[in-house]
Amino acid sequence: SQTIHQWPATLVQPVGSPLSLECTVEGTSNPNLYWYRQAAGRGLQLLFYSVGIGQISSEVPQNLSASRPQDRQFILSSKKLLLSDSGFYLCAWSVTRRQEGYTFGSGTRLTVV
Amino acid sequence: GEDVEQSLFLSVREGDSSVINCTYTDSSSTYLYWYKQEPGAGLQLLTYIFSNMDMKQDQRLTVLLNKKDKHLSLRIADTQTGDSAIYFCAVYNFNKFYFGSGTKLNVKP
Repeated sequence: SQTIHQWPATLVQPVGSPLSLECTVEGTSNPNLYWYRQAAGRGLQLLFYSVGIGQISSEVPQNLSASRPQDRQFILSSKKLLLSDSGFYLCAWSVTRRQEGYTFGSGTRLTVV
Repeated sequence: GEDVEQSLFLSVREGDSSVINCTYTDSSSTYLYWYKQEPGAGLQLLTYIFSNMDMKQDQRLTVLLNKKDKHLSLRIADTQTGDSAIYFCAVYNFNKFYFGSGTKLNVKP
Protein backbone atom coordinates (compact mmCIF):
# COMPACT_ATOMS: atom_id res chain seq x y z
CA SER A 1 0.00 0.00 0.00
CA GLN A 2 1.03 3.59 -0.54
CA THR A 3 2.31 5.69 2.34
CA ILE A 4 3.61 9.20 2.62
CA HIS A 5 6.16 10.31 5.21
CA GLN A 6 6.84 13.86 6.19
CA TRP A 7 9.34 15.11 8.73
CA PRO A 8 10.01 16.67 11.10
CA ALA A 9 6.63 16.99 12.76
CA THR A 10 7.54 20.15 14.64
CA LEU A 11 10.28 22.69 14.04
CA VAL A 12 11.26 25.95 15.72
CA GLN A 13 13.79 27.97 13.78
CA PRO A 14 15.25 31.47 14.22
CA VAL A 15 14.73 34.16 11.61
CA GLY A 16 17.45 34.00 8.97
CA SER A 17 18.22 30.32 9.42
CA PRO A 18 17.88 27.77 6.58
CA LEU A 19 15.06 25.26 6.23
CA SER A 20 14.76 21.80 4.80
CA LEU A 21 11.55 19.77 5.02
CA GLU A 22 11.44 16.35 3.46
CA CYS A 23 8.62 14.27 2.10
CA THR A 24 8.84 10.75 0.71
CA VAL A 25 6.25 8.47 -0.81
CA GLU A 26 6.31 4.69 -0.80
CA GLY A 27 4.36 2.11 -2.76
CA THR A 28 3.85 4.06 -5.96
CA SER A 29 5.90 5.39 -8.82
CA ASN A 30 5.89 8.70 -10.66
CA PRO A 31 3.46 10.39 -8.30
CA ASN A 32 2.47 14.02 -8.56
CA LEU A 33 3.85 15.73 -5.47
CA TYR A 34 2.68 18.92 -3.76
CA TRP A 35 3.66 21.27 -0.97
CA TYR A 36 0.94 23.27 0.77
CA ARG A 37 1.06 25.78 3.57
CA GLN A 38 -1.73 26.37 6.02
CA ALA A 39 -1.41 29.60 7.97
CA ALA A 40 -3.08 29.74 11.39
CA GLY A 41 -6.87 29.68 11.02
CA ARG A 42 -6.71 29.79 7.26
CA GLY A 43 -7.07 27.48 4.31
CA LEU A 44 -4.51 25.69 2.22
CA GLN A 45 -2.21 27.55 -0.12
CA LEU A 46 -0.52 25.58 -2.88
CA LEU A 47 3.19 26.41 -2.88
CA PHE A 48 4.78 23.97 -5.32
CA TYR A 49 3.86 20.95 -7.36
CA SER A 50 5.90 18.46 -9.32
CA VAL A 51 4.87 15.98 -12.00
CA GLY A 52 8.32 14.37 -12.30
CA ILE A 53 11.97 14.40 -11.24
CA GLY A 54 13.43 17.86 -11.57
CA GLN A 55 10.08 19.34 -12.64
CA ILE A 56 8.90 21.98 -10.20
CA SER A 57 6.10 24.48 -10.65
CA SER A 58 5.81 27.39 -8.27
CA GLU A 59 2.39 28.78 -7.54
CA VAL A 60 3.32 31.87 -5.55
CA PRO A 61 6.47 34.00 -5.37
CA GLN A 62 8.04 33.62 -1.97
CA ASN A 63 11.01 32.92 0.14
CA LEU A 64 10.81 29.17 -0.41
CA SER A 65 12.01 26.71 -3.03
CA ALA A 66 11.34 23.06 -3.78
CA SER A 67 13.32 20.25 -5.31
CA ARG A 68 12.61 16.70 -6.41
CA PRO A 69 15.92 14.87 -6.55
CA GLN A 70 14.30 11.42 -6.75
CA ASP A 71 10.99 10.12 -8.05
CA ARG A 72 9.40 9.80 -4.62
CA GLN A 73 11.21 12.54 -2.71
CA PHE A 74 10.10 16.15 -2.46
CA ILE A 75 12.02 18.75 -0.47
CA LEU A 76 10.94 22.20 0.64
CA SER A 77 13.78 24.61 1.39
CA SER A 78 14.64 28.13 2.33
CA LYS A 79 18.02 29.84 2.58
CA LYS A 80 16.82 32.41 5.13
CA LEU A 81 13.56 32.04 7.00
CA LEU A 82 11.23 34.95 7.63
CA LEU A 83 8.70 35.30 10.43
CA SER A 84 5.95 35.08 7.82
CA ASP A 85 7.15 31.57 6.88
CA SER A 86 5.58 30.21 10.07
CA GLY A 87 2.74 27.82 9.42
CA PHE A 88 1.69 24.24 8.95
CA TYR A 89 3.30 22.64 5.90
CA LEU A 90 1.66 19.71 4.24
CA CYS A 91 3.07 17.43 1.60
CA ALA A 92 0.67 15.49 -0.61
CA TRP A 93 0.75 13.10 -3.52
CA SER A 94 -1.70 12.04 -6.18
CA VAL A 95 -1.84 9.83 -9.22
CA THR A 96 -3.42 10.49 -12.56
CA ARG A 97 -6.66 8.87 -11.45
CA ARG A 98 -8.09 12.12 -10.23
CA GLN A 99 -10.99 10.66 -8.34
CA GLU A 100 -8.62 9.50 -5.66
CA GLY A 101 -7.71 13.05 -4.83
CA TYR A 102 -4.72 13.74 -2.70
CA THR A 103 -3.15 11.75 0.08
CA PHE A 104 -1.63 14.07 2.64
CA GLY A 105 1.30 13.67 4.96
CA SER A 106 0.87 14.38 8.64
CA GLY A 107 2.32 17.89 8.34
CA THR A 108 5.17 19.93 9.82
CA ARG A 109 4.43 22.72 12.26
CA LEU A 110 7.07 25.40 11.60
CA THR A 111 7.48 28.31 13.99
CA VAL A 112 9.97 30.99 13.06
CA VAL A 113 11.11 33.02 16.07
CA GLY B 1 -7.69 29.87 -11.31
CA GLU B 2 -10.55 28.68 -9.22
CA ASP B 3 -12.12 30.32 -6.18
CA VAL B 4 -13.54 27.96 -3.61
CA GLU B 5 -15.44 29.45 -0.70
CA GLN B 6 -16.79 28.06 2.54
CA SER B 7 -18.20 29.53 5.69
CA LEU B 8 -15.63 29.47 8.50
CA PHE B 9 -17.62 28.05 11.41
CA LEU B 10 -20.53 25.73 12.15
CA SER B 11 -21.77 24.69 15.56
CA VAL B 12 -24.27 21.86 16.11
CA ARG B 13 -25.47 19.68 18.96
CA GLU B 14 -24.56 16.03 19.18
CA GLY B 15 -27.14 13.91 17.34
CA ASP B 16 -28.22 16.70 15.00
CA SER B 17 -27.36 16.85 11.30
CA SER B 18 -24.57 19.11 10.08
CA VAL B 19 -24.57 20.72 6.66
CA ILE B 20 -21.36 22.27 5.39
CA ASN B 21 -21.60 24.33 2.22
CA CYS B 22 -19.12 25.21 -0.48
CA THR B 23 -19.25 27.26 -3.66
CA TYR B 24 -16.81 27.28 -6.55
CA THR B 25 -16.40 29.37 -9.65
CA ASP B 26 -15.22 27.19 -12.54
CA SER B 27 -17.95 25.03 -14.02
CA SER B 28 -15.38 22.83 -15.79
CA SER B 29 -14.25 21.32 -12.47
CA THR B 30 -14.49 17.57 -12.86
CA TYR B 31 -14.07 16.13 -9.38
CA LEU B 32 -15.10 17.65 -6.08
CA TYR B 33 -13.92 16.48 -2.68
CA TRP B 34 -14.46 16.77 1.02
CA TYR B 35 -11.51 16.46 3.38
CA LYS B 36 -11.40 16.33 7.17
CA GLN B 37 -8.58 17.77 9.26
CA GLU B 38 -8.35 16.95 12.94
CA PRO B 39 -6.27 19.22 15.21
CA GLY B 40 -2.56 19.10 14.42
CA ALA B 41 -2.98 16.49 11.70
CA GLY B 42 -2.93 16.29 7.94
CA LEU B 43 -6.01 16.10 5.75
CA GLN B 44 -8.01 12.93 5.34
CA LEU B 45 -10.12 12.32 2.25
CA LEU B 46 -13.73 11.73 3.29
CA THR B 47 -15.51 11.43 0.00
CA TYR B 48 -15.62 12.76 -3.54
CA ILE B 49 -18.18 13.25 -6.27
CA PHE B 50 -17.84 13.40 -10.01
CA SER B 51 -19.35 16.42 -11.71
CA ASN B 52 -21.98 14.38 -13.58
CA MET B 53 -23.50 13.20 -10.29
CA ASP B 54 -26.06 15.03 -8.16
CA MET B 55 -25.71 13.08 -4.98
CA LYS B 56 -23.50 10.54 -3.30
CA GLN B 57 -24.18 8.82 0.01
CA ASP B 58 -21.64 7.01 2.14
CA GLN B 59 -22.92 5.87 5.54
CA ARG B 60 -23.54 9.07 7.56
CA LEU B 61 -22.19 11.31 4.81
CA THR B 62 -24.27 12.72 1.96
CA VAL B 63 -22.75 14.92 -0.73
CA LEU B 64 -25.03 17.08 -2.84
CA LEU B 65 -23.87 18.83 -5.99
CA ASN B 66 -25.78 21.60 -7.75
CA LYS B 67 -23.70 22.09 -10.85
CA LYS B 68 -25.89 24.91 -12.17
CA ASP B 69 -25.30 26.97 -9.05
CA LYS B 70 -21.75 25.61 -8.54
CA HIS B 71 -22.68 24.60 -5.01
CA LEU B 72 -21.46 21.57 -3.09
CA SER B 73 -22.61 20.48 0.34
CA LEU B 74 -21.68 17.83 2.86
CA ARG B 75 -24.33 16.56 5.24
CA ILE B 76 -23.28 14.58 8.30
CA ALA B 77 -26.17 12.70 9.88
CA ASP B 78 -26.27 12.01 13.64
CA THR B 79 -23.24 14.25 14.24
CA GLN B 80 -20.91 12.99 16.97
CA THR B 81 -18.30 14.80 19.07
CA GLY B 82 -15.65 12.90 17.11
CA ASP B 83 -16.82 14.73 14.01
CA SER B 84 -15.43 17.99 15.42
CA ALA B 85 -12.76 19.05 12.92
CA ILE B 86 -12.11 21.37 10.01
CA TYR B 87 -13.75 20.30 6.77
CA PHE B 88 -12.26 21.36 3.47
CA CYS B 89 -13.99 21.46 0.15
CA ALA B 90 -11.69 20.92 -2.84
CA VAL B 91 -12.17 20.92 -6.60
CA TYR B 92 -10.00 19.45 -9.32
CA ASN B 93 -9.36 21.54 -12.38
CA PHE B 94 -6.52 21.59 -14.90
CA ASN B 95 -4.20 19.26 -12.97
CA LYS B 96 -4.54 21.19 -9.75
CA PHE B 97 -6.60 20.89 -6.64
CA TYR B 98 -8.10 24.07 -5.23
CA PHE B 99 -9.14 24.15 -1.60
CA GLY B 100 -11.59 26.25 0.30
CA SER B 101 -10.53 27.91 3.54
CA GLY B 102 -12.14 25.19 5.63
CA THR B 103 -15.20 25.10 7.88
CA LYS B 104 -14.57 24.45 11.55
CA LEU B 105 -17.29 22.17 12.87
CA ASN B 106 -17.89 22.31 16.61
CA VAL B 107 -20.10 19.57 18.03
CA LYS B 108 -21.56 20.33 21.45
CA PRO B 109 -22.46 17.39 23.71
